[in-house]
Amino acid sequence: NAGVTQTPKFQVLKTGQSMTLQCAQDMNHNSMYWYRQDPGMGLRLIYYSASEGTTDKGEVPNGYNVSRLNKREFSLRLESAAPSQTSVYFCASSFRDRVISGTDTQYFGPGTRLTVL
Amino acid sequence: AQSVAQPEDQVNVAEGNPLTVKCTYSVSGNPYLFWYVQYPNRGLQFLLKYITGDNLVKGSYGFEAEFNKSQTSFHLKKPSALVSDSALYFCAVRANDYKLSFGAGTTVTVRA
Repeated sequence: NAGVTQTPKFQVLKTGQSMTLQCAQDMNHNSMYWYRQDPGMGLRLIYYSASEGTTDKGEVPNGYNVSRLNKREFSLRLESAAPSQTSVYFCASSFRDRVISGTDTQYFGPGTRLTVL
Repeated sequence: AQSVAQPEDQVNVAEGNPLTVKCTYSVSGNPYLFWYVQYPNRGLQFLLKYITGDNLVKGSYGFEAEFNKSQTSFHLKKPSALVSDSALYFCAVRANDYKLSFGAGTTVTVRA
């Protein structure tokens, strides 16, 4: 049981380049999330997927797109990278009860450290 | 809107002494509160959460947290700190939606 896995671990891009960050979970969770972590700002939600086939914007979605490929996989794409997107990106997943919403625990992957030059 | 404040950027304690990491929150409706720990170059690890019931919540690695509704606080505590507890700690709050709002984090250093 690997939990939440992310690839790659590190990436350096030039401004304007594109890339996709991959995330997979093997815990049969229905909800998945992408966060970015910047010093002194905690984690901020970029996008989330409540269930397979649905995606929604979080608090900082500009410059990103996502795809919920299937129940296990949730990818984050930077179409034209900018230096402001230099950050550490974390994927998370949870099993969200439809009735008692909000109580689910999110489990995080190891992160992708992205630098945009 | 929901938010979390961690008033201390850093907490320094000696090994064997009590450890407290402070957190206050603001949320409409019933708060669901979480503590996570992050070791260097690692992802976040879940420590404990408060949903309802007993105000004292026990979690992993000997940590516990006390929910105080009147003071809107959820402080993390450990009776006897270890050097291995040195890490970055995050408090987070959620109402009934998908967004988990994190504090800025508190760096804990436990000296031998």
